[in-house]
Amino acid sequence: AQTVTQSQPEMSVQEAETVTLSCTYDTSESDYYLFWYKQPPSRQMILVIRQEAYKQQNATENRFSVNFQKAAKSFSLKISDSQLGDAAMYFCAYRSAVQGAQKLVFGQGTRLTINP
Amino acid sequence: EPEVTQTPSHQVTQMGQEVILRCVPISNHLYFYWYRQILGQKVEFLVSFYNNEISEKSEIFDDQFSVERPDGSNFTLKIRSTKLEDSAMYFCASSGTRYGEAFFGQGTRLTVV
Repeated sequence: AQTVTQSQPEMSVQEAETVTLSCTYDTSESDYYLFWYKQPPSRQMILVIRQEAYKQQNATENRFSVNFQKAAKSFSLKISDSQLGDAAMYFCAYRSAVQGAQKLVFGQGTRLTINP
Repeated sequence: EPEVTQTPSHQVTQMGQEVILRCVPISNHLYFYWYRQILGQKVEFLVSFYNNEISEKSEIFDDQFSVERPDGSNFTLKIRSTKLEDSAMYFCASSGTRYGEAFFGQGTRLTVV
């Protein structure tokens, strides 16, 4: 079974600075998808960024980018120019690309605080 | 912007009672999911649903749980006889394609007393 580990329960960063959230995962599969979800106090989980394992290029979405290291099974999220609205729980998630597999496997989450 | 809507936002029920959690997925989506998050723990997959049947379920999703799409818009999770350990935040999600982005609702906090 696949597992996702986020080793940083909490992180904080000064507004406008850069922060990196760590995520590692364990799988025997070669094709899969990785995600970062943001969960603000409103509780609704919002997709931040997505990476397909077969793509070597790291995904980017505006201020958000990932460092995907397939061999190391590492998938970190970098937030540049941090804003107060970035404060939230961040979850790393894995989904298999096997036919019929749809479930997301989540990590424990990292609570990100932005200091003004 | 279309969104997944869950009702109620908070439900308190007595142990042993049946509870139904309701979700309205995004209208043109075909794949539906339930996840739960026990306070302080990770989000866990419960079940996925497509074409009016369960396509995948976790070991958590035992005989006490059932899902249904009773009409063209609602997607429900029923817990037949609630236990204290069912207290959690329950999230509904939907996606338009099998491997598309899952859009989550705001969750229903279930408290079993």
